Amino acid sequence: NAGVMQNPRHLVRRRGQEARLRCSPMKGHSHVYWYRQLPEEGLKFMVYLQKENIIDESGMPKERFSAEFPKEGPSILRIQQVVRGDSAAYFCASSPGGDTQYFGPGTRLTVL
Amino acid sequence: EDQVTQSPEALRLQEGESSSLNCSYTVSGLRGLFWYRQDPGKGPEFLFTLYSAGEEKEKERLKATLTKKESFLHITAPKPEDSATYLCAVQEETSGSRLTFGEGTQLTVNP
Repeated sequence: NAGVMQNPRHLVRRRGQEARLRCSPMKGHSHVYWYRQLPEEGLKFMVYLQKENIIDESGMPKERFSAEFPKEGPSILRIQQVVRGDSAAYFCASSPGGDTQYFGPGTRLTVL
Repeated sequence: EDQVTQSPEALRLQEGESSSLNCSYTVSGLRGLFWYRQDPGKGPEFLFTLYSAGEEKEKERLKATLTKKESFLHITAPKPEDSATYLCAVQEETSGSRLTFGEGTQLTVNP
């Protein structure tokens, strides 16, 4: 039973480029969450999605960040016009309901 | 605003030396408290969910307990492979499913 999958595991972008992070939830899980872990900081909630719906985006920066979870395919976290402050580890988690969340291995984004 | 505070920030133990990690929380209504383990460069690994005061969960050398204001993660006779950062997180009744994490306790167990 495969766990939460994220790709790429490492992503390097230059300032101003776009970053696309993908997350495939565990089989049977329809709830997806994105968290960010800045260097030397704790995990911070960004957004909670179910298929084709954004349920809670209270942790998302107002500009440049967007997320989707289409009917088919993985969830995507998109960061436009990246800046150095976006460098962080981005974790996706999934759950079968709104309870225990299981995390993926993360995508480490480095902005040059 | 939900607050989760973990202590100590770092803990060094000798193999076999039992100890406890603390997680204190301030929420208006607790929906669930979660413990995770995170190894360097990896994602958090789920350990326990606790829902109500007085509840206890055990897994191998780990035991988690919950009161109305805090949770403890007890580690009995730890081994070097228990070295990791232990994260506590809460779900609050009126905040939906999002988790609010503490900063973690970095545990090192020396052989």
